[in-house]
Amino acid sequence: AQRVTQPEKLLSVFKGAPVELKCNYSYSGSPELFWYVQYSRQRLQLLLRHISRESIKGFTADLNKGETSFHLKKPFAQEEDSAMYYCALKEYGNKLVFGAGTILRVKS
Amino acid sequence: DVKVTQSSRYLVKRTGEKVFLECVQDMDHENMFWYRQDPGLGLRLIYFSYDVKMKEKGDIPEGYSVSREKKERFSLILESASTNQTSMYLCASSPHDKSLYEYFGPGTRLTVT
Repeated sequence: AQRVTQPEKLLSVFKGAPVELKCNYSYSGSPELFWYVQYSRQRLQLLLRHISRESIKGFTADLNKGETSFHLKKPFAQEEDSAMYYCALKEYGNKLVFGAGTILRVKS
Repeated sequence: DVKVTQSSRYLVKRTGEKVFLECVQDMDHENMFWYRQDPGLGLRLIYFSYDVKMKEKGDIPEGYSVSREKKERFSLILESASTNQTSMYLCASSPHDKSLYEYFGPGTRLTVT
């Protein structure tokens, strides 16, 4: 079965500190991975996906097939980054499998 | 701008009631999905649909059914609501083009008492 693991339920950092949200996956094929974010009282929205290889709001994520990881990183956290972050893997047929999510709290 | 709307933001129902959650998207997307979101469990897929009148079970379909009579509308039905179905329900849609991604609705928080 395909699985997505986010080992941290909560990650708390100070403003300006680096952030790394961990995501590991298991998948038998060629994976397609995403990070979704949900800010307080807002709908879930796409943050970035590995095929785009882009930086969104200062966040980047690199697919590491050897370690089966897709960690989300940002060099300097900002208070507005506080949110729930979900890592997701696309299965056949456009279905997404989500991790349990990590709450990021950025303290001032 | 893609819009996915859900009929209610908050809903309170009694055990045993039949519950309908409605989702409408305005972008002519073929795929539609229903998830439930629970703390510590993330999002779990209940049912999805690739086209009108088509439906497939997701990971946790027990206690739920769905209906897709029109392309833009995907309904989730709880035939007999139970307290363990208290949750946040999220609807999403996406086009068949695999290069594109899912758009989510605002969610319906259902409480079953």
